[in-house]
Amino acid sequence: AQSVAQPEDQVNVAEGNPLTVKCTYSVSGNPYLFWYVQYPNRGLQFLLKYITGDNLVKGSYGFEAEFNKSQTSFHLKKPSALVSDSALYFCAVRGYGGSQGNLIFGKGTKLSVKP
Amino acid sequence: SQTIHQWPATLVQPVGSPLSLECTVEGTSNPNLYWYRQAAGRGLQLLFYSVGIGQISSEVPQNLSASRPQDRQFILSSKKLLLSDSGFYLCAWTEIAGANVLTFGAGSRLTVL
Repeated sequence: AQSVAQPEDQVNVAEGNPLTVKCTYSVSGNPYLFWYVQYPNRGLQFLLKYITGDNLVKGSYGFEAEFNKSQTSFHLKKPSALVSDSALYFCAVRGYGGSQGNLIFGKGTKLSVKP
Repeated sequence: SQTIHQWPATLVQPVGSPLSLECTVEGTSNPNLYWYRQAAGRGLQLLFYSVGIGQISSEVPQNLSASRPQDRQFILSSKKLLLSDSGFYLCAWTEIAGANVLTFGAGSRLTVL
């Protein structure tokens, strides 16, 4: 069965420091991997995706993620965090079978960036 | 450009009352449409998806139902709400082909009292 895990409920980072939000996945075949961000009382916004190609994927707002097949990970990173990056971050993997857009989401990681 | 609208934004309903949440997409044709629920524990649960008019797939058995009366309209309903139906409901769409990036609406917060 396909699954995705975000091992940290919360990540605390000082502004200007690098940040990492962790994600591991389990899926049969080649994964389609996604990161989304959610601000309070809002819908999710797409940040970036990995489908194929370069393992380092660059996305919106200066975020990037690295696909590591051997470790089945897709960690989200940013070199220098901003207070405005504080939000809830979701990793997702495309499940096989059913609708093509049927994503399986992790439970989310709350990122808190302090000034 | 494509936009997705969801309403109402917030709703407080008594137990046993009916529910209707609406979602419409503009600027695209024949999208795949989805209803997710986000409970207090933050995780997202796929409730229903639709690949065309009148075509509804349910992911989990529950007190809710979905309908797609028009190509770009997706409705989430209940005849009798339960306390456990409280949550944040998100509508989303994707194109049929492509990399399947989900675009979400702003969400509808339902509180059942």
